[in-house]
Amino acid sequence: NAGVTQTPKFRILKIGQSMTLQCAQDMNHNYMYWYRQDPGMGLKLIYYSVGAGITDKGEVPNGYNVSRSTTEDFPLRLELAAPSQTSVYFCASRGGTGELFFGEGSRLTVL
Amino acid sequence: KQEVTQIPAALSVPEGENLVLNCSFTDSAIYNLQWFRQDPGKGLTSLLLIQSSQREQTSGRLNASLDKSSGRSTLYIAASQPGDSATYLCAVFSVDTGRRALTFGSGTRLQVQP
Repeated sequence: NAGVTQTPKFRILKIGQSMTLQCAQDMNHNYMYWYRQDPGMGLKLIYYSVGAGITDKGEVPNGYNVSRSTTEDFPLRLELAAPSQTSVYFCASRGGTGELFFGEGSRLTVL
Repeated sequence: KQEVTQIPAALSVPEGENLVLNCSFTDSAIYNLQWFRQDPGKGLTSLLLIQSSQREQTSGRLNASLDKSSGRSTLYIAASQPGDSATYLCAVFSVDTGRRALTFGSGTRLQVQP
């Protein structure tokens, strides 16, 4: 059972570099989310999608972009990385009952 | 704006104790509330999902209750074990935030001493 798969698990970026965090789910869920988690804090919503071709901003979207060309994939793009984007990023999808399923996370450090 | 608070932030108990974790939310207009477990360096694992029309859900030694009118939920863990040591987060799916997503509390870090 793959569920929600995130890659990479770890990444170090230099300030100003760009990268894409990949997220894929095999449960045919329409709703997908990107959250970030800073030490000792809860999760903050970055972007979400209610289906292929439809995305919307969350609480902390600045510095990020997303796309949703298929039901399965929901990549998160970081442009011009900054130290404030050092965090753990979680992708999730939501089933019909409202239950949320999370990936293992991607730990990003910007130096 | 929905806000979710979890008290206490950390808790240490001896093995075998029954314990209660608290979650409160400011806006009672919710679709559901979900409790998660997070082990260090890992993702979140769903424990229990309570729909707004329900009062409680049970899974093994875990029981979660929901009092929507007072904006509170509790997670009861019976006969705690060292393997229960983790951070427990609650999250609510609100009706009127305009965003169809969960709002998370900061979590309660639980340590069960053998």
